[in-house]
Amino acid sequence: DAGVIQSPRHEVTEMGQEVTLRCKPISGHNSLFWYRQTMMRGLELLIYFNNNVPIDDSGMPEDRFSAKMPNASFSTLKIQPSEPRDSAVYFCASSLQSSGRPGLAKNIQYFGAGTRLSVL
Amino acid sequence: SQELEQSPQSLIVQEGKNLTINCTSSKTLYGLYWYKQKYGEGLIFLMMLQKGGEEKSHEKITAKLDEKKQQSSLHITASQPSHAGIYLCGADMMRGGADGLTFGKGTHLIIQP
Repeated sequence: DAGVIQSPRHEVTEMGQEVTLRCKPISGHNSLFWYRQTMMRGLELLIYFNNNVPIDDSGMPEDRFSAKMPNASFSTLKIQPSEPRDSAVYFCASSLQSSGRPGLAKNIQYFGAGTRLSVL
Repeated sequence: SQELEQSPQSLIVQEGKNLTINCTSSKTLYGLYWYKQKYGEGLIFLMMLQKGGEEKSHEKITAKLDEKKQQSSLHITASQPSHAGIYLCGADMMRGGADGLTFGKGTHLIIQP
């Protein structure tokens, strides 16, 4: 089975350029998450979607960041304009939200291999 | 302040020895997830714990969630080189568990032959 697929795996760009990261979630999953990982701050949630609808984007650092999910099998994270401090590894994860006991929904997230972004 | 504290930050263990990694929160954890990350790669799901006092095992790895649901431990028995990597705990900090996870900063595990 194909897992979460991210592209590109590596991206090197110059400050001020637009960067687009792509993600294909696991087929059948209804939730998609974008995270950013840095040495200083660890793994942080940027935004997540449920049934293609953005639910919480409070982790998006600035207006330069935007994310879309036009359909259940594709999402993008765009940075425009990019800055050196955006350099990090960006992960996409997907999950199938299901409820076990009331109030104890399962939330096992499966991660892609990540995109390592370097902004010069 | 970090909502999830992992300890130790790094660990060097001789092959064959046992080890324990801890994950602590000041808040109730509605779901606790352990992941392993190899350098330069994505996160691999290991185990999920939801009930106070719950314990799960897979091969030589055992994870526990305390009765108060504020602390979890990951124990590896008879460590092997394949266990090396970064171990991260992630948590549902809200009841319902439909949100993004909050992660600890990870524990870097090195296995010495």
